[in-house]
Amino acid sequence: QKEVEQNSGPLSVPEGAIASLNCTYSDRVSQSFFWYRQYSGKSPELIMSIYSNGDKEDGRFTAQLNKASQYVSLLIRDSQPSDSATYLCAVSEDGGFKTIFGAGTRLFVKA
Amino acid sequence: GAVVSQHPSWVICKSGTSVKIECRSLDFQATTMFWYRQFPKQSLMLMATSNEGSKATYEQGVEKDKFLINHASLTLSTLTVTSAHPEDSSFYICSARTGQSVPENNSPLHFGNGTRLTVT
Repeated sequence: QKEVEQNSGPLSVPEGAIASLNCTYSDRVSQSFFWYRQYSGKSPELIMSIYSNGDKEDGRFTAQLNKASQYVSLLIRDSQPSDSATYLCAVSEDGGFKTIFGAGTRLFVKA
Repeated sequence: GAVVSQHPSWVICKSGTSVKIECRSLDFQATTMFWYRQFPKQSLMLMATSNEGSKATYEQGVEKDKFLINHASLTLSTLTVTSAHPEDSSFYICSARTGQSVPENNSPLHFGNGTRLTVT
């Protein structure tokens, strides 16, 4: 059973701080990694995708991937109350159609 | 780009009736679409993979005769919940890839807005 594990939280950070979200996955052949944000009652929206080891930055967001450790993370700098949501880690295997989602981490950014 | 439209956004139906949910890719063609279900405070669970022009592939534990999927064109997939029961009440979300990455399977999923189904 291929799994994607996330701490369910909630993770609470003050406004302006860095929020760090973590994810581990079980399938070593996984090749594509994604972070989605989901507001309550809404569908997920893509924040970032990452495919190779290292860091990838996009605005206030930085995704980090370590395939040897089967670990992917998302850093949110200068956190804003509007960042309060559930963040879903998702993993796809190379050549596979399926995308497997973690249970999500609930983030609260306190004003 | 990469807009996926889902309709209706919410529906309330009586137990025993059927409900059809539509999923359209508005600005790209999708040979494959994915149907997910999400219960409150839980993650997305893949129900089935919808394939244009052929039968859908269902995940283990998902009844194909209860959740009918039709993917008749490159831009439209439908999910019909037949003989709905209260336990089918959930948030149903469709998704598709734009196919702009090589290989296509590396591109991210884009989601419709979801359909909240309540069966009374």
